[in-house]
Amino acid sequence: GENVEQHPSTLSVQEGDSAVIKCTYSDSASNYFPWYKQELGKGPQLIIDIRSNVGEKKDQRIAVTLNKTAKHFSLHITETQPEDSAVYFCAASGESGYSTLTFGKGTMLLVSP
Amino acid sequence: SQTIHQWPATLVQPVGSPLSLECTVEGTSNPNLYWYRQAAGRGLQLLFYSVGIGQISSEVPQNLSASRPQDRQFILSSKKLLLSDSGFYLCAWGGAWETQYFGPGTRLLVL
Repeated sequence: GENVEQHPSTLSVQEGDSAVIKCTYSDSASNYFPWYKQELGKGPQLIIDIRSNVGEKKDQRIAVTLNKTAKHFSLHITETQPEDSAVYFCAASGESGYSTLTFGKGTMLLVSP
Repeated sequence: SQTIHQWPATLVQPVGSPLSLECTVEGTSNPNLYWYRQAAGRGLQLLFYSVGIGQISSEVPQNLSASRPQDRQFILSSKKLLLSDSGFYLCAWGGAWETQYFGPGTRLLVL
């Protein structure tokens, strides 16, 4: 089955800096890669996703890049703000036709004012 | 627009007691539905998923079961709770392709 590794487990940055979170996956058949933001005590919220036919996608201050050959994808947050502080999860699609996702273990991002 | 509800929000139960958590989705039909558990400070573990009424797939053998009595209703149950069942339970619905949207979660504490 699919295995997703996520690094780092914690990331501390100053407000205004950029933050990068990286994930690798094992199943070359995976073709969908979402990122979720989870604030304390709440359910994860989808913030951006990318499909395997695209190498990069951007939405305001966040962007995701995908390298299918190397089987890794990354989340980039620019001009970080204190409200970006949360746990971020990457995920990769599971076996085709079952619509399941395999999640990384999460990255706690702390943005200091 | 679509909305997903979970209740209760918080639950404290004694060991050995039964459990019933409910999830409902509004604004969509025939969604894929999922139950996840998240232990404190850890990732998301898929417990069950359903592609239709009465169709349940289990990902992890355990003390829990799931049912889907209606198209947009998903229930997580247990006959006898264990201490290890404590955690944050999340329901999600599947939209186009593999996209999943999560509910607000139920925090369960088994004492």
